[in-house]
Amino acid sequence: AQSVSQHNHHVILSEAASLELGCNYSYGGTVNLFWYVQYPGQHLQLLLKYFSGDPLVKGIKGFEAEFIKSKFSFNLRKPSVQWSDTAEYFCAVKPPEGAGSYQLTFGKGTKLSVIP
Amino acid sequence: DAGITQSPRHKVTETGTPVTLRCHQTENHRYMYWYRQDPGHGLRLIHYSYGVKDTDKGEVSDGYSVSRSKTEDFLLTLESATSSQTSVYFCAISLGQGLSEAFFGQGTRLTVV
Repeated sequence: AQSVSQHNHHVILSEAASLELGCNYSYGGTVNLFWYVQYPGQHLQLLLKYFSGDPLVKGIKGFEAEFIKSKFSFNLRKPSVQWSDTAEYFCAVKPPEGAGSYQLTFGKGTKLSVIP
Repeated sequence: DAGITQSPRHKVTETGTPVTLRCHQTENHRYMYWYRQDPGHGLRLIHYSYGVKDTDKGEVSDGYSVSRSKTEDFLLTLESATSSQTSVYFCAISLGQGLSEAFFGQGTRLTVV
């Protein structure tokens, strides 16, 4: 079955540490890729998205992600995290045009805890 | 924030009772989705709609039905609620099938006792 995998369930970092969260997907063809963030008690908000073009995508709040097609990966990075980045992060994939392409499939999420 | 309103925001119901959750949008987006969020499972798609009266099943559709009689409203019904349906339910909307992201509502926390 097609899937989205986030390898880290819970990441704990100190403030100013660098962050990289992994995301791999199993769809072939052209996909749309997203990272969403969910702060405690809130709904999901879009951090960044990749549709085509430059594989290095910059999003809000200093986050960026790199699409590596050969590795089916879309890892999220931030050079220096802040306590306010404490949240759960979800990778999502929209499959290629065709059957099932209406659907946005999510990974299971990675909880990030940033220690002041 | 996108104009998405979910109601109710919180509900406690008894096993076996029917429950309807409402998602209302003011964005005139074609696509609407219902997801459930559970610890360790992330977000799982229940049903989605690609237009008025056009709906289809998602990954975890058993025990749920949906209706979309107007562009702006997407209803999720639990015909006979079970404890396994205790969850947080999120509605999402999307402009189109292609180059567009989904925007999420605030969520409905449903507890089935």
